[in-house]
Amino acid sequence: GAVVSQHPSWVICKSGTSVKIECRSLDFQATTMFWYRQFPKQSLMLMATSNEGSKATYEQGVEKDKFLINHASLTLSTLTVTSAHPEDSSFYICSAPPPGLAGGGNEQFFGPGTRLTVL
Amino acid sequence: AQSVSQHNHHVILSEAASLELGCNYSYGGTVNLFWYVQYPGQHLQLLLKYFSGDPLVKGIKGFEAEFIKSKFSFNLRKPSVQWSDTAEYFCAVTSSGGYQKVTFGTGTKLQVIP
Repeated sequence: GAVVSQHPSWVICKSGTSVKIECRSLDFQATTMFWYRQFPKQSLMLMATSNEGSKATYEQGVEKDKFLINHASLTLSTLTVTSAHPEDSSFYICSAPPPGLAGGGNEQFFGPGTRLTVL
Repeated sequence: AQSVSQHNHHVILSEAASLELGCNYSYGGTVNLFWYVQYPGQHLQLLLKYFSGDPLVKGIKGFEAEFIKSKFSFNLRKPSVQWSDTAEYFCAVTSSGGYQKVTFGTGTKLQVIP
């Protein structure tokens, strides 16, 4: 089946620095990818939709200047957490819909997630 | 706005016991429903899904779920659990048609004791 990878799998950074997380579709092209955030013992919260060739669509309450999303190619989306603070510490997960099918009407393929810890 | 609630946060069962995890959603229109599973140390993967047709959906590893529209429910069941079913289970919903976001429930952690 289709595989989505994320890099890095975990990262520790100092407060005030920026961190970039990559999401790649390994064997298929994804014009749309999704970024989620998961707090301990809570559900996945959709942060934004990454669109290849256009601006990302952010969910209400998500700061677009804080969480920069760039869909650089049909297989790569990046999430940059700018000026990270301890409250940004979380588990970030990306997903992409199956090849040929875009949108939430179908299941998603999920990446393994990135654990961010901001000291 | 759509929402999903999962009633059980942590379930502990012995092997061979039957499982039912509750999921209720709130949305006024037609929905697509999913159950995802996350095994320890692994990423989320699809267990089963309902789009239309037979409301009783069968998924992988002997799991099934029944969509009851009148109750806005999509409960997950398995007649006999195994130790390897230990995982976290997420119910999710999208509204039908076109591009729509996925809304997840809070998840249920299942622990199966050998």
